[in-house]
Amino acid sequence: AQKITQTQPGMFVQEKEAVTLDCTYDTSDQSYGLFWYKQPSSGEMIFLIYQGSYDEQNATEGRYSLNFQKARKSANLVISASQLGDSAMYFCAMRGLIGGFKTIFGAGTRLFVKA
Amino acid sequence: DAMVIQNPRYQVTQFGKPVTLSCSQTLNHNVMYWYQQKSSQAPKLLFHYYDKDFNNEADTPDNFQSRRPNTSFCFLDIRSPGLGDAAMYLCATSSPQGLNTEAFFGQGTRLTVV
Repeated sequence: AQKITQTQPGMFVQEKEAVTLDCTYDTSDQSYGLFWYKQPSSGEMIFLIYQGSYDEQNATEGRYSLNFQKARKSANLVISASQLGDSAMYFCAMRGLIGGFKTIFGAGTRLFVKA
Repeated sequence: DAMVIQNPRYQVTQFGKPVTLSCSQTLNHNVMYWYQQKSSQAPKLLFHYYDKDFNNEADTPDNFQSRRPNTSFCFLDIRSPGLGDAAMYLCATSSPQGLNTEAFFGQGTRLTVV
């Protein structure tokens, strides 16, 4: 079975500082993808960053980077230089071959950026 | 350029009255998903299709059905909505060409049951 765990229901960060959102996963797949999505209060799901299970380099996309530690099965999202507009729910997700490419989500972390 | 379109954005239905939510995509993706998301919770996968192959999650209630008549369209039917079915319903698509493509989401349909 596949499972995503996000243990931080809520996080606060000061504007312009960096923040790390935790994500651990469990799968018996050898090949899988890990994703982070942002969901503002408007409800849309915005794709942020992807990490493949065979990627040796940590993924980066602008202010977003993914701290991938395969042996520990963790894929933490790092947001640098936080902005007020970063306040939102953040979901870690995974897709693998098991189950026919279905994408499953963690419980999410609500990030509050303080001015 | 909307790629995954859900209609309607807001739906109000009566308790027990069947309701259908629709989703269309212009991405030609093989995989389509329906998720239910309640307030401040993770999206919960209800079903997904790989082409016409239908995959039902084990804990999806029988009250929920789905149809995918062609690649572009997918429907979620709730046969007898209860108050507990009020939620945001999200449709998403992905390409199975490798695992490195993200799922694309529609804007969701917020269902209210009265």
